[in-house]
Amino acid sequence: NAGVTQTPKFRVLKTGQSMTLLCAQDMNHEYMYWYRQDPGMGLRLIHYSVGEGTTAKGEVPDGYNVSRLKKQNFLLGLESAAPSQTSVYFCASSSGQGWEQYFGPGTRLTVT
Amino acid sequence: GESVGLHLPTLSVQEGDNSIINCAYSNSASDYFIWYKQESGKGPQFIIDIRSNMDKRQGQRVTVLLNKTVKHLSLQIAATQPGDSAVYFCAVSTPGSARQLTFGSGTQLTVLP
Repeated sequence: NAGVTQTPKFRVLKTGQSMTLLCAQDMNHEYMYWYRQDPGMGLRLIHYSVGEGTTAKGEVPDGYNVSRLKKQNFLLGLESAAPSQTSVYFCASSSGQGWEQYFGPGTRLTVT
Repeated sequence: GESVGLHLPTLSVQEGDNSIINCAYSNSASDYFIWYKQESGKGPQFIIDIRSNMDKRQGQRVTVLLNKTVKHLSLQIAATQPGDSAVYFCAVSTPGSARQLTFGSGTQLTVLP
């Protein structure tokens, strides 16, 4: 099992550009999450999904959109990137039966 | 809501000594707690968890202690090794949520030779 994978690993964007981050899990998990991690701060929840076709806002959703068209994939989109979105983005999944979340390796995004 | 804080952002210990990393939480209704380890350039990795009906849980070289009275938990690492150098996060369940966790800001553990 690959677990949780994320693509790309690194990306540099100019202000105003758009991009999509892809998260995939092969554990048949129902719940998936997108976090951002900034220096000196814990992980902050952007959006999450409790099943295929569902999405919901987390703590810091502004400037991001998500889609969960397939159970194994959770996409995070930035329509118009801003320097404040420079961060490391982590995807996680959970079976929904317990609380443990499994994390991907992260995507380092820089917006100039 | 829930807030989670860690007592020290950095901790340095000598190889072979025991390490103790602390975490405080605010919501007394939280009932599940996890410690994660994050190595440089990698995603958080599950270490150990504990439910609110327990005070202590032991794993391999790690022990988690939970004090619900003062809303405090700690991670103890025995005989700390160089491979233990990482950032350690506590995560606390958010009551009534879709299995959401609130994360502390992390403690950077450095193991000195």
